[in-house]
Order: sequence, then C-alpha cells, then structure tokens
Amino acid sequence: ELVLIQSPATLSLSPGERATLFCRASQSVRSYLAWYQQKPGQAPRLLIYDASKRATDIPARFSGSGSGTDFTLTISNLEPEDFAVYYCQHRSNWPPYSFGQGTKLEIK
Amino acid sequence: QVQLVQSGAEVKKPGASVKVSCKASGYTFTNYPMHWVRQAPGQRLEWMGWINADNGDTIYSQKFQSRVTISRDISATTVYMELSSLTSEDTAVYFCAKVMTTAFAFDIWGQGTRVTVSS
Repeated sequence: ELVLIQSPATLSLSPGERATLFCRASQSVRSYLAWYQQKPGQAPRLLIYDASKRATDIPARFSGSGSGTDFTLTISNLEPEDFAVYYCQHRSNWPPYSFGQGTKLEIK
Repeated sequence: QVQLVQSGAEVKKPGASVKVSCKASGYTFTNYPMHWVRQAPGQRLEWMGWINADNGDTIYSQKFQSRVTISRDISATTVYMELSSLTSEDTAVYFCAKVMTTAFAFDIWGQGTRVTVSS
C-alpha cells in the first residue's frame, strides 16, 4: 500500500512569512497529488490538484510543485486565515487513495 | 450551486450499524463518482470507498471491505454509506466528497456527519 509522509508535523510561523510543506510518497504517484486545507470543525478544502494546479478560487499565494515521490506546497506571505492543517492525497493506479498524516501550520 | 448535504449526527451502540446519507444538488448526479472519507478524533483523513453514481459500481478500501456498503438512489440524487459491526474505533466524522471534473481530487465536500459509538 502506498504511504504518504508529510513534514514537518507542525510548522510555527508568523503572518507575512513563507510556509513550505512537504509530502513524500513511498512510490511514484507521477503528478497525481492533491493538497487540502482543513480548519477545526470544517470539511477539507481543495487547494491544489495534479501537484501544481490551483483549484477554483484559491489565491495565488498557494502553489504546489513536484512529481514522482516528492512534493511541496508553498504558501507565500501567510495570511491569518491560512493557519490550519494541510493534507496531501494521492491518486495512484489503485486504492486506497490515502492521505498524509497532515501538517499543522500554527501562528508563532 | 453545487453542494452535498449530509444527514445528522448519530449515536450507536457497539455491534450496531449506521447509515449516513449525502444529498447532492447543483450538478448532474450520475456524471461524477462519490467518495467517502472519515476522520477519527485528532487523526488523519481516511479514504473508505467510492461509488460510480451512474451504474452503481463500488470500490472499497480493503480495511472496510467486509463492513461497508455504499449505495445510491438516482431519483433522490443521494448516496448512502452504511457501516456495520461498529466499535468505538469507528467514532469519527464521516464525509462524502465529489470528484472534480478534470482530475482526481475532491472539490466539493459534505459538511460531515459525526458518528459516536458508545455503550
């Protein structure tokens, strides 16, 4: 079964700074990786799909990159509303379409 | 607008079953698969399975294969997820999620249904 490992587990930054989150797959997922943001008590929100494509209405400060096994989500110029938990998810050739364990982005 | 509205919170005893519904609106129901994802308290998102809303074909995570049934009612534009033989480890929020048009990613999510399993 394909496993996604996210790092760091927690990232403490201040508004205006740049956040870099990582997701590593145990085997290649080509570019079939998505990123989601989740706030407490809410459903996840799609940010990035196919590794680097922004979903509808997602601000340009969110960007994704990578292919194969190593992926990055970058949030430039952090806004107060960006502090949340972020998950990556793969779509390999066969399920389960698992998620990473999440990175909590907290205010420093 | 496109939305998914789920049924309300449930409290169940160990060994019981629960059936959660997900009412879709704002798009052609049969054009998009529907997936189910759960999240236990403080844990990561966990993919459970999906249904082809057109022909009813299903694929389940091996973890839930023996206990989960996903079904749909086309006339009601509603998808159901039934989980049997509940234990305390099934206490979680259950989400339905629609796959987007052009890629495999979940662009629309239901609001979540909290299922609590307790004696």
